[in-house]
Amino acid sequence: DTGVSQDPRHKITKRGQNVTFRCDPISEHNRLYWYRQTLGQGPEFLTYFQNEAQLEKSRLLSDRFSAERPKGSFSTLEIQRTEQGDSAMYLCASSLQGSSYEQYFGPGTRLTVT
Amino acid sequence: AQSVAQPEDQVNVAEGNPLTVKCTYSVSGNPYLFWYVQYPNRGLQFLLKYITGDNLVKGSYGFEAEFNKSQTSFHLKKPSALVSDSALYFCAVRDIQTGANNLFFGTGTRLTVIP
Repeated sequence: DTGVSQDPRHKITKRGQNVTFRCDPISEHNRLYWYRQTLGQGPEFLTYFQNEAQLEKSRLLSDRFSAERPKGSFSTLEIQRTEQGDSAMYLCASSLQGSSYEQYFGPGTRLTVT
Repeated sequence: AQSVAQPEDQVNVAEGNPLTVKCTYSVSGNPYLFWYVQYPNRGLQFLLKYITGDNLVKGSYGFEAEFNKSQTSFHLKKPSALVSDSALYFCAVRDIQTGANNLFFGTGTRLTVIP
Protein backbone atom coordinates (compact mmCIF):
# COMPACT_ATOMS: atom_id res chain seq x y z
CA ASP A 1 0.00 0.00 0.00
CA THR A 2 1.62 3.22 -1.11
CA GLY A 3 0.51 6.29 0.76
CA VAL A 4 0.80 9.92 -0.19
CA SER A 5 4.34 10.85 -1.17
CA GLN A 6 5.94 14.27 -1.39
CA ASP A 7 9.15 15.42 -2.95
CA PRO A 8 11.49 16.85 -1.88
CA ARG A 9 11.30 16.25 1.84
CA HIS A 10 13.47 19.25 2.55
CA LYS A 11 14.21 22.36 0.54
CA ILE A 12 16.53 25.21 1.43
CA THR A 13 16.37 28.22 -0.83
CA LYS A 14 17.44 31.80 -0.86
CA ARG A 15 14.96 34.60 -0.62
CA GLY A 16 13.65 35.58 -4.01
CA GLN A 17 14.04 32.17 -5.61
CA ASN A 18 11.17 30.09 -6.92
CA VAL A 19 10.46 26.64 -5.52
CA THR A 20 8.20 23.81 -6.64
CA PHE A 21 7.00 20.88 -4.59
CA ARG A 22 5.43 17.68 -5.83
CA CYS A 23 2.73 15.52 -4.31
CA ASP A 24 1.70 12.06 -5.44
CA PRO A 25 -1.63 11.09 -3.85
CA ILE A 26 -2.94 7.62 -3.15
CA SER A 27 -3.64 6.30 -6.63
CA GLU A 28 -7.41 5.95 -6.49
CA HIS A 29 -7.98 9.23 -4.64
CA ASN A 30 -9.48 11.96 -6.79
CA ARG A 31 -9.36 14.72 -4.19
CA LEU A 32 -6.11 16.45 -3.33
CA TYR A 33 -5.39 19.14 -0.76
CA TRP A 34 -2.44 21.35 0.08
CA TYR A 35 -1.87 22.65 3.61
CA ARG A 36 0.83 24.70 5.27
CA GLN A 37 2.00 24.10 8.81
CA THR A 38 4.14 26.55 10.74
CA LEU A 39 5.83 25.84 14.04
CA GLY A 40 3.40 25.50 16.89
CA GLN A 41 0.34 25.64 14.68
CA GLY A 42 -2.02 23.19 13.09
CA PRO A 43 -2.10 22.76 9.33
CA GLU A 44 -3.70 25.59 7.41
CA PHE A 45 -5.64 24.82 4.23
CA LEU A 46 -4.32 26.33 1.00
CA THR A 47 -6.06 24.79 -2.00
CA TYR A 48 -8.09 21.84 -3.26
CA PHE A 49 -8.37 19.79 -6.43
CA GLN A 50 -11.04 17.38 -7.52
CA ASN A 51 -9.48 15.41 -10.31
CA GLU A 52 -7.67 18.04 -12.41
CA ALA A 53 -9.96 20.92 -11.47
CA GLN A 54 -8.81 23.38 -8.85
CA LEU A 55 -12.09 24.03 -7.10
CA GLU A 56 -10.91 26.12 -4.18
CA LYS A 57 -7.95 28.47 -4.15
CA SER A 58 -9.14 31.43 -2.16
CA ARG A 59 -6.99 30.40 0.77
CA LEU A 60 -3.73 30.54 -1.15
CA LEU A 61 -1.64 32.98 0.82
CA SER A 62 -0.76 35.34 -1.99
CA ASP A 63 -0.52 35.46 -5.75
CA ARG A 64 3.02 34.11 -5.39
CA PHE A 65 1.48 30.73 -4.61
CA SER A 66 0.04 28.56 -7.35
CA ALA A 67 -0.82 24.90 -7.74
CA GLU A 68 -1.56 22.53 -10.57
CA ARG A 69 -2.80 19.02 -11.05
CA PRO A 70 -2.58 18.66 -14.81
CA LYS A 71 -3.74 15.09 -15.31
CA GLY A 72 -5.66 14.56 -12.14
CA SER A 73 -2.87 12.53 -10.61
CA PHE A 74 0.17 14.24 -9.08
CA SER A 75 0.11 17.89 -8.09
CA THR A 76 2.68 20.64 -7.81
CA LEU A 77 2.74 23.67 -5.55
CA GLU A 78 4.92 26.56 -6.65
CA ILE A 79 6.01 29.54 -4.62
CA GLN A 80 7.52 32.38 -6.60
CA ARG A 81 9.88 34.98 -5.18
CA THR A 82 10.12 33.23 -1.84
CA GLU A 83 10.20 35.22 1.38
CA GLN A 84 11.47 34.22 4.79
CA GLY A 85 7.88 34.04 6.01
CA ASP A 86 7.26 31.22 3.57
CA SER A 87 9.43 28.94 5.70
CA ALA A 88 7.09 26.18 6.84
CA MET A 89 6.09 22.57 6.31
CA TYR A 90 3.95 22.08 3.22
CA LEU A 91 1.62 19.12 3.50
CA CYS A 92 -0.34 17.32 0.83
CA ALA A 93 -3.36 15.15 1.54
CA SER A 94 -5.69 13.07 -0.56
CA SER A 95 -9.11 11.54 -0.17
CA LEU A 96 -11.64 9.61 -2.16
CA GLN A 97 -14.87 11.28 -3.15
CA GLY A 98 -17.72 9.50 -1.48
CA SER A 99 -15.62 8.34 1.43
CA SER A 100 -16.27 9.64 4.89
CA TYR A 101 -14.14 12.75 4.62
CA GLU A 102 -10.94 11.49 6.20
CA GLN A 103 -7.84 12.70 4.45
CA TYR A 104 -4.52 10.92 4.21
CA PHE A 105 -1.44 13.06 4.55
CA GLY A 106 2.00 12.84 3.07
CA PRO A 107 5.18 13.38 5.11
CA GLY A 108 5.45 16.99 4.00
CA THR A 109 8.11 19.20 2.43
CA ARG A 110 9.98 21.40 4.86
CA LEU A 111 10.91 24.70 3.24
CA THR A 112 13.57 26.95 4.70
CA VAL A 113 14.05 30.34 3.11
CA THR A 114 17.35 32.00 4.01
CA ALA B 1 -17.05 31.55 11.88
CA GLN B 2 -15.69 28.21 13.01
CA SER B 3 -13.05 27.41 15.57
CA VAL B 4 -11.31 24.51 17.20
CA ALA B 5 -9.73 24.89 20.61
CA GLN B 6 -7.22 22.56 22.18
CA PRO B 7 -6.82 24.22 25.56
CA GLU B 8 -3.72 22.29 26.62
CA ASP B 9 -0.47 22.76 24.74
CA GLN B 10 1.09 19.91 26.70
CA VAL B 11 -0.29 16.86 28.47
CA ASN B 12 1.88 14.56 30.55
CA VAL B 13 0.67 11.17 31.71
CA ALA B 14 2.33 8.16 33.27
CA GLU B 15 2.54 4.98 31.25
CA GLY B 16 -0.41 2.74 31.97
CA ASN B 17 -2.63 5.58 33.16
CA PRO B 18 -5.65 6.78 31.21
CA LEU B 19 -5.13 9.79 28.98
CA THR B 20 -7.41 12.56 27.78
CA VAL B 21 -6.64 15.19 25.18
CA LYS B 22 -9.25 17.90 25.09
CA CYS B 23 -10.94 19.53 22.12
CA THR B 24 -13.83 21.95 21.88
CA TYR B 25 -15.29 23.32 18.70
CA SER B 26 -17.58 25.97 17.35
CA VAL B 27 -19.23 25.42 13.98
CA SER B 28 -22.64 25.99 12.47
CA GLY B 29 -24.73 22.96 11.78
CA ASN B 30 -23.68 19.39 12.41
CA PRO B 31 -19.96 19.11 12.97
CA TYR B 32 -17.73 16.59 11.30
CA LEU B 33 -14.90 16.02 13.77
CA PHE B 34 -11.52 14.37 13.43
CA TRP B 35 -8.41 13.49 15.41
CA TYR B 36 -5.00 13.16 13.83
CA VAL B 37 -1.62 12.32 15.33
CA GLN B 38 1.74 13.60 14.14
CA TYR B 39 5.00 11.86 14.93
CA PRO B 40 8.34 13.60 14.36
CA ASN B 41 9.34 13.80 10.70
CA ARG B 42 6.16 12.09 9.65
CA GLY B 43 2.86 13.24 8.23
CA LEU B 44 -0.38 13.41 10.09
CA GLN B 45 -2.03 10.07 10.66
CA PHE B 46 -5.80 9.73 10.88
CA LEU B 47 -7.02 8.34 14.21
CA LEU B 48 -10.79 8.62 14.18
CA LYS B 49 -13.76 10.68 13.12
CA TYR B 50 -17.28 11.54 14.13
CA ILE B 51 -19.78 12.20 11.38
CA THR B 52 -23.02 10.89 12.78
CA GLY B 53 -24.30 8.04 14.92
CA ASP B 54 -22.92 6.86 18.23
CA ASN B 55 -21.35 9.57 20.31
CA LEU B 56 -18.50 7.27 21.32
CA VAL B 57 -16.18 6.70 18.40
CA LYS B 58 -13.42 4.10 18.40
CA GLY B 59 -10.33 4.52 16.30
CA SER B 60 -6.83 3.34 15.65
CA TYR B 61 -4.28 2.25 18.28
CA GLY B 62 -6.88 1.89 21.03
CA PHE B 63 -7.97 5.52 20.97
CA GLU B 64 -11.54 6.66 21.29
CA ALA B 65 -13.36 9.97 21.42
CA GLU B 66 -16.69 11.10 22.75
CA PHE B 67 -18.81 13.61 20.90
CA ASN B 68 -20.71 15.83 23.34
CA LYS B 69 -23.04 18.16 21.52
CA SER B 70 -24.16 20.12 24.56
CA GLN B 71 -20.59 20.86 25.59
CA THR B 72 -19.37 21.15 21.99
CA SER B 73 -16.50 18.85 22.85
CA PHE B 74 -14.74 15.94 21.24
CA HIS B 75 -12.13 14.76 23.72
CA LEU B 76 -9.68 12.03 22.75
CA LYS B 77 -9.17 9.24 25.26
CA LYS B 78 -7.25 6.04 25.79
CA PRO B 79 -7.64 3.75 28.80
CA SER B 80 -3.96 2.92 29.19
CA ALA B 81 -1.22 5.13 27.76
CA LEU B 82 1.89 3.75 26.08
CA VAL B 83 5.24 5.50 25.77
CA SER B 84 4.82 5.13 22.02
CA ASP B 85 1.70 7.34 22.18
CA SER B 86 3.96 10.33 22.81
CA ALA B 87 3.30 12.64 19.85
CA LEU B 88 1.48 15.77 18.71
CA TYR B 89 -2.30 15.42 18.51
CA PHE B 90 -4.57 17.59 16.40
CA CYS B 91 -8.31 17.98 16.54
CA ALA B 92 -10.03 19.17 13.36
CA VAL B 93 -13.45 19.99 11.97
CA ARG B 94 -14.68 19.96 8.43
CA ASP B 95 -14.37 23.50 7.15
CA ILE B 96 -17.83 24.75 6.27
CA GLN B 97 -16.62 28.03 4.82
CA THR B 98 -15.27 26.45 1.68
CA GLY B 99 -16.91 23.85 -0.49
CA ALA B 100 -13.81 21.74 -0.38
CA ASN B 101 -14.38 19.45 2.61
CA ASN B 102 -10.97 20.54 3.83
CA LEU B 103 -10.08 20.34 7.49
CA PHE B 104 -9.79 23.20 9.94
CA PHE B 105 -7.29 22.27 12.64
CA GLY B 106 -6.67 23.22 16.22
CA THR B 107 -3.20 24.22 17.37
CA GLY B 108 -2.30 20.80 18.67
CA THR B 109 -1.54 19.18 22.01
CA ARG B 110 1.78 17.54 22.71
CA LEU B 111 1.30 14.34 24.65
CA THR B 112 4.19 12.94 26.64
CA VAL B 113 3.84 9.52 28.22
CA ILE B 114 6.31 9.08 31.03
CA PRO B 115 7.74 5.59 31.55
